[in-house]
Amino acid sequence: AQSVTQLDSHVSVSEGTPVLLRCNYSSSYSPSLFWYVQHPNKGLQLLLKYTSAATLVKGINGFEAEFKKSETSFHLTKPSAHMSDAAEYFCVVPKGSGSARQLTFGSGTQLTVLP
Amino acid sequence: DGGITQSPKYLFRKEGQNVTLSCEQNLNHDAMYWYRQDPGQGLRLIYYSQIVNDFQKGDIAEGYSVSREKKESFPLTVTSAQKNPTAFYLCATGTPNTGELFFGEGSRLTVL
Repeated sequence: AQSVTQLDSHVSVSEGTPVLLRCNYSSSYSPSLFWYVQHPNKGLQLLLKYTSAATLVKGINGFEAEFKKSETSFHLTKPSAHMSDAAEYFCVVPKGSGSARQLTFGSGTQLTVLP
Repeated sequence: DGGITQSPKYLFRKEGQNVTLSCEQNLNHDAMYWYRQDPGQGLRLIYYSQIVNDFQKGDIAEGYSVSREKKESFPLTVTSAQKNPTAFYLCATGTPNTGELFFGEGSRLTVL
């Protein structure tokens, strides 16, 4: 069965420094993978998605993620953090197929950006 | 504007009362979903519907009920049978084959 594990529940960085949010996946084949972001008391927004076309995926707001099959990882990075990046980030993998397809969410990583 | 509207944004309920959360969409998506969010637990699927007049239980359906009489609407009722209903509830729509979901801004339910 497909699943994801987010390795850090909280990450703190200083503004202007790099961001790394870690996600490992478990799947018997190369899955699709997504990162979503949630700002306080808001719904979630898609940041980026991997669908096997390219291993390095670029998303919105300067974020990117690299799919590494050998490490079963899909870590989210950004070269320079901005205060507006403070939010909760979810790594997501679909399960099932066709009309029964659903999304399985990781437990989330809370990103704090310090001035 | 296109989007998903959830109401109410905040709701307080006494124990033993049923409450209904509204979710309306004008994105013309067939699929609609209800998720529950608790701190440190990510999102858990309550119910989903792929088409009008049809819906399936998710991972934590006990104590909840839904209906899908119109494509645009997917209300969620939190019944008195739900033992721990205080949570943030998120409605989403999407296209299952792409895996991308579009979320409303959520409803926060507090049981007093």
